[in-house]
Amino acid sequence: KAGVTQTPRYLIKTRGQQVTLSCSPISGHRSVSWYQQTPGQGLQFLFEYFSETQRNKGNFPGRFSGRQFSNSRSEMNVSTLELGDSALYLCASSVGAAGDYYEQYFGPGTRLTVT
Amino acid sequence: TQLLEQSPQFLSIQEGENLTVYCNSSSVFSSLQWYRQEPGEGPVLLVTVVTGGEVKKLKRLTFQFGDARKDSSLHITAAQPGDTGLYLCARRGQGNLIFGKGTKLSVKP
Repeated sequence: KAGVTQTPRYLIKTRGQQVTLSCSPISGHRSVSWYQQTPGQGLQFLFEYFSETQRNKGNFPGRFSGRQFSNSRSEMNVSTLELGDSALYLCASSVGAAGDYYEQYFGPGTRLTVT
Repeated sequence: TQLLEQSPQFLSIQEGENLTVYCNSSSVFSSLQWYRQEPGEGPVLLVTVVTGGEVKKLKRLTFQFGDARKDSSLHITAAQPGDTGLYLCARRGQGNLIFGKGTKLSVKP
């Protein structure tokens, strides 16, 4: 069974630009959660999508948004990039909604560098 | 806030040594998970502990959940270079996982 895939793996953007990251969950998984990982703050929850609906959202500004498609693939978008957005962005998929205690499986992440 | 404090932050040891890393909170939590994250990869779940005082073993790794369910420890016996990575503890939040900042372990041959 293929794992969670994320594209692209590496990305370099300039301040003020926007970026879209993609996550393909494990086949049959309906929930996708996004996390931001930085050396200073560690792993922080961005949002979770389940059956195309955002179920939960972390404490991030509105520049961070996401969506989920009918095939469970998910994208997250960051607009007006800031230097502080440089991070590893991880997505995790689970069979059921994350809040229902299903195990989450993480992808390898997208390393975003903002210059 | 129900933060998870992990210690030590960094640990560098020689192959064959034993080590223990800790995850502490001021709050009680219903369960705790341990993950290992290798460079360039996402975290991989190692174990979930649920019951106070619970001990789980995974080969050379021993996980313990404190009696009061406020702390947990991970002990590695005879560490190997393949154990190198970031060890994260996490608890359930409102539909998400809340992580500690991790212990970065380096095992030198």
